[in-house]
Amino acid sequence: KNQVEQSPQSLIILEGKNCTLQCNYTVSPFSNLRWYKQDTGRGPVSLTIMTFSENTKSNGRYTATLDADTKQSSLHITASQLSDSASYICVVSAITGFQKLVFGTGTRLLVSP
Amino acid sequence: GAGVSQSPSNKVTEKGKDVELRCDPISGHTALYWYRQRLGQGLEFLIYFQGNSAPDKSGLPSDRFSAERTGESVSTLTIQRTQQEDSAVYLCASSSYLGGRGDTQYFGPGTRLTVL
Repeated sequence: KNQVEQSPQSLIILEGKNCTLQCNYTVSPFSNLRWYKQDTGRGPVSLTIMTFSENTKSNGRYTATLDADTKQSSLHITASQLSDSASYICVVSAITGFQKLVFGTGTRLLVSP
Repeated sequence: GAGVSQSPSNKVTEKGKDVELRCDPISGHTALYWYRQRLGQGLEFLIYFQGNSAPDKSGLPSDRFSAERTGESVSTLTIQRTQQEDSAVYLCASSSYLGGRGDTQYFGPGTRLTVL
């Protein structure tokens, strides 16, 4: 069964600190892995997308890593800001002829002043 | 606007009533997706359109759910005889997917449906 699991479920950090969010998946055959940021009451917004051959991808203070052998990914946030408070969703795409995405339940991050 | 728009933003209905949710994708995007997000849960795939056809309807939870897309633009998701378990945020996304891999889906703000 295709599944995406994320940890921790929720996280509180102080402004300026770094944090790392984890994603494990069992989606097969693998096409790509994305990290989305979802602000409360808004639709998800894409942060990074990585294919099988990519190990790391950065977008400003966000850096995603991918280990396709162990089927694990992480999202590292550097020098957190209050605006980083959101849910971060790991999404894995299976090759089925079109993009069928399997969504994780997300990590809810709260950045505290 | 340049993004995906959805209407209404909020819908409260009584159990047993029918509802229609609308999605306006980004102009030129051929692919359109509907998802459901229950409170505190991840997104569930409902249906995918490529142009006006729907090659994958596997996520529709029951025959009370249907969707159509006309003119390769606007899509409507219809829920008949709504039940309380249908209460959720319904999200629409579009992409310029043309058979390759790795393109980005752009999400609308969602419609929050509450069935009393």
